[in-house]
Amino acid sequence: DGGITQSPKYLFRKEGQNVTLSCEQNLNHDAMYWYRQDPGQGLRLIYYSQIVNDFQKGDIAEGYSVSREKKESFPLTVTSAQKNPTAFYLCASSHTGLAKNIQYFGAGTRLSVL
Amino acid sequence: DQQVKQNSPSLSVQEGRISILNCDYTNSMFDYFLWYKKYPAEGPTFLISISSIKDKNEDGRFTVFLNKSAKHLSLHIVPSQPGDSAVYFCAAKLRNSGNTPLVFGKGTRLSVIA
Repeated sequence: DGGITQSPKYLFRKEGQNVTLSCEQNLNHDAMYWYRQDPGQGLRLIYYSQIVNDFQKGDIAEGYSVSREKKESFPLTVTSAQKNPTAFYLCASSHTGLAKNIQYFGAGTRLSVL
Repeated sequence: DQQVKQNSPSLSVQEGRISILNCDYTNSMFDYFLWYKKYPAEGPTFLISISSIKDKNEDGRFTVFLNKSAKHLSLHIVPSQPGDSAVYFCAAKLRNSGNTPLVFGKGTRLSVIA
């Protein structure tokens, strides 16, 4: 069945370590997004990609990096430069070319610092 | 500067009564609005949407009202059920913006008390 798969569900990062969160979709969506959720902060946009091999920074891109080598995949790397990485990370995707843009979300990855 | 505001962080309602969740926006270029529902440790799920050419959209127990002059929308849930207890996010999309990301509010936590 179609959907967005995020893995792992839980992830732990040591000091100075880079970690990568996976996001895969089989919905044939062109656009993909990464959000971070902190308590009381809602959803804050980290990066988004409207097409393969292209991506743009969101509101809180510092300390994160992404790649979009395949339409189905949009991995997010949390680098050691991100000093407060503990949060719930959500990946989403949507069609392009439509005036109405419904974003569909994965189940999320909870990242904690050891 | 928050363009989409949900000023009530939480709301408690008795089972069977009406729940009203409110959302205000500042950008008059928004032309499509969505409501998402989110359970803890899960991704948000799309609930209902409304285009700016309408002032009401109904889907079962859920109705969204849009007041463009006041830049205000609301989600009505009637009758409220315990399973409706979740965080509700309001989101907005800019007119003719292709696949740029939705702008989200910070959410309102609804608790439906049996």
